[in-house]
Amino acid sequence: ILNVEQSPQSLHVQEGDSTNFTCSFPSSNFYALHWYRWETAKSPEALFVMTLNGDEKKKGRISATLNTKEGYSYLYIKGSQPEDSATYLCASTQGGSEKLVFGKGMKLTVNP
Amino acid sequence: ETGVTQTPRHLVMGMTNKKSLKCEQHLGHNAMYWYKQSAKKPLELMFVYSLEERVENNSVPSRFSPECPNSSHLFLHLHTLQPEDSALYLCASSQLLAGGKETQYFGPGTRLLVL
Repeated sequence: ILNVEQSPQSLHVQEGDSTNFTCSFPSSNFYALHWYRWETAKSPEALFVMTLNGDEKKKGRISATLNTKEGYSYLYIKGSQPEDSATYLCASTQGGSEKLVFGKGMKLTVNP
Repeated sequence: ETGVTQTPRHLVMGMTNKKSLKCEQHLGHNAMYWYKQSAKKPLELMFVYSLEERVENNSVPSRFSPECPNSSHLFLHLHTLQPEDSALYLCASSQLLAGGKETQYFGPGTRLLVL
């Protein structure tokens, strides 16, 4: 059974703080790791898809890294802003399956 | 806007009602998905349709019945639901190439309450 874990489950930070959160997943038969950003009452929005060990991706102030050998990915937000407040989801796929297995998400609140 | 729309956005139904959720994607994708999110649980895959054929049914009770009449539309027919079926139901679509890497694009979901 593929189990994806995210930590912490929630985080409150002040505007300007940098944050990072962790997604862990089984490393055996790993295929891809997806990060999504989900604002309340909106659709989850894709941030990154990563497949290779050591991958690093960046989108503005948000970046992510991937370690497939130990089964984790980090998501960093530099200089958090109130508009970064959202739930951040990670999901993993195995062995070429299109089935995304999601973690419970990490709810970020950035206070002005 | 992700290019995936869902209607209705909110639905309240009794246990004896029959209702349907609708999803439409405007992205030209060839795969569509239904997910369920219950309180404090991860998003959980229910059904996958690829090229309008169901390829995955994640042990979902038969009171949930999906239908994919064409590549742009997906329905979830609901019949004699239970209060524990109250949840957010999300639709997604993707262009399947080498399964697992493709981004799935989500709709905003239907918030369902079963009384």
